[in-house]
Amino acid sequence: ETGVTQTPRHLVMGMTNKKSLKCEQHLGHNAMYWYKQSAKKPLELMFVYSLEERVENNSVPSRFSPECPNSSHLFLHLHTLQPEDSALYLCASSQEYPDSGANVLTFGAGSRLTVL
Amino acid sequence: AQKITQTQPGMFVQEKEAVTLDCTYDTSDQSYGLFWYKQPSSGEMIFLIYQGSYDEQNATEGRYSLNFQKARKSANLVISASQLGDSAMYFCAMREGLDDKIIFGKGTRLHILP
Repeated sequence: ETGVTQTPRHLVMGMTNKKSLKCEQHLGHNAMYWYKQSAKKPLELMFVYSLEERVENNSVPSRFSPECPNSSHLFLHLHTLQPEDSALYLCASSQEYPDSGANVLTFGAGSRLTVL
Repeated sequence: AQKITQTQPGMFVQEKEAVTLDCTYDTSDQSYGLFWYKQPSSGEMIFLIYQGSYDEQNATEGRYSLNFQKARKSANLVISASQLGDSAMYFCAMREGLDDKIIFGKGTRLHILP
């Protein structure tokens, strides 16, 4: 148990469905991230929230909509997805220390998404 | 251009041998950080080791060490006395400046043979 919990672990959805992925961290960290991991591709950073404010949106299509209601919770709302969006979605959190730069990511176990 | 390059898609190593996983990076920042993560088949990403660009000594954490060659922009991971449980994907990653973004390489799949 890493202290970052993702639910659901597996999700199958049709292209017209609306679903959400949830991430919760119990580490007191002040930054949270969504990464996408597809087969044979590097992890792709999708969104970064620092102190509940979005600081990065890495050219992600609008069918992915993040929400960070507080520093412990992060959601990824999904609607009208495409089959190529099937991937492992990893949530991470980190504590930012601007002077040291050693903001180590702690990851959840991921949500495996399949879009039919 | 890729910021993080891992040239070894897969490696097979005999148990108890040392293994070196290659990583080169590209940045024009003077201040940056380098990370290695392990991802077993269960899927979770596990932090292994960190090297700051201003750290003069190579980082070490137990059986893991980072061979940091700044002039070559190289940050290879060395695992000593490999174990069967070391079989996993290994990712090299970099943070540039004081940025929130951490960029990952494509990974190397390591297989430890009994």
